[in-house]
Amino acid sequence: DTGVSQNPRHKITKRGQNVTFRCDPISEHNRLYWYRQTLGQGPEFLTYFQNEAQLEKSRLLSDRFSAERPKGSFSTLEIQRTEQGDSAMYLCASSLEGAPQHFGDGTRLSIL
Amino acid sequence: GQQLNQSPQSMFIQEGEDVSMNCTSSSIFNTWLWYKQDPGEGPVLLIALYKAGELTSNGRLTAQFGITRKDSFLNISASIPSDVGIYFCAGHFGNQFYFGTGTSLTVIP
Repeated sequence: DTGVSQNPRHKITKRGQNVTFRCDPISEHNRLYWYRQTLGQGPEFLTYFQNEAQLEKSRLLSDRFSAERPKGSFSTLEIQRTEQGDSAMYLCASSLEGAPQHFGDGTRLSIL
Repeated sequence: GQQLNQSPQSMFIQEGEDVSMNCTSSSIFNTWLWYKQDPGEGPVLLIALYKAGELTSNGRLTAQFGITRKDSFLNISASIPSDVGIYFCAGHFGNQFYFGTGTSLTVIP
């Protein structure tokens, strides 16, 4: 399967811990997006990369959140000092410029 | 941010019935997309629309990009049990995609 791959699928952690998620996009896609989705809502944009450059960040992305795409391929999203409100599904999507996004199956984060 | 309003919020229909849902925005979009999401999975792209007035089909699914560029609808004909899920519209403007809150579809066999 050459779709978007996200790891881990589930993460349970205690409040205050740091967590890191990984996204492997479709190989030829130069754009990569991170979204957060809570129950009953659509995905909310967090940030986006074109190749290795992070071009846009939502105001939802507090300074506890950081994303990287060091070589323009896979990306990581780190959340430091997690809080209860960080519990959500974190989705990654990739696309070619001007083309629709294709999503991974997400990482579900639960904060105890 | 951009607000996309989807309606209805939920639908319960008999197998074999046709379904219609729509999405409206206060802003103009360059592209409209429709996705389906099953529990525990990511959204899957169903149809992409690129021009105002465009009508596109994908099997039993038909979607249209509204003339005003502020709305879109999705029709599903002859529904089957595997159509169950949450359907999201998304509008594309600039470098961002904005998603609606979803329409939950239940198909009763």
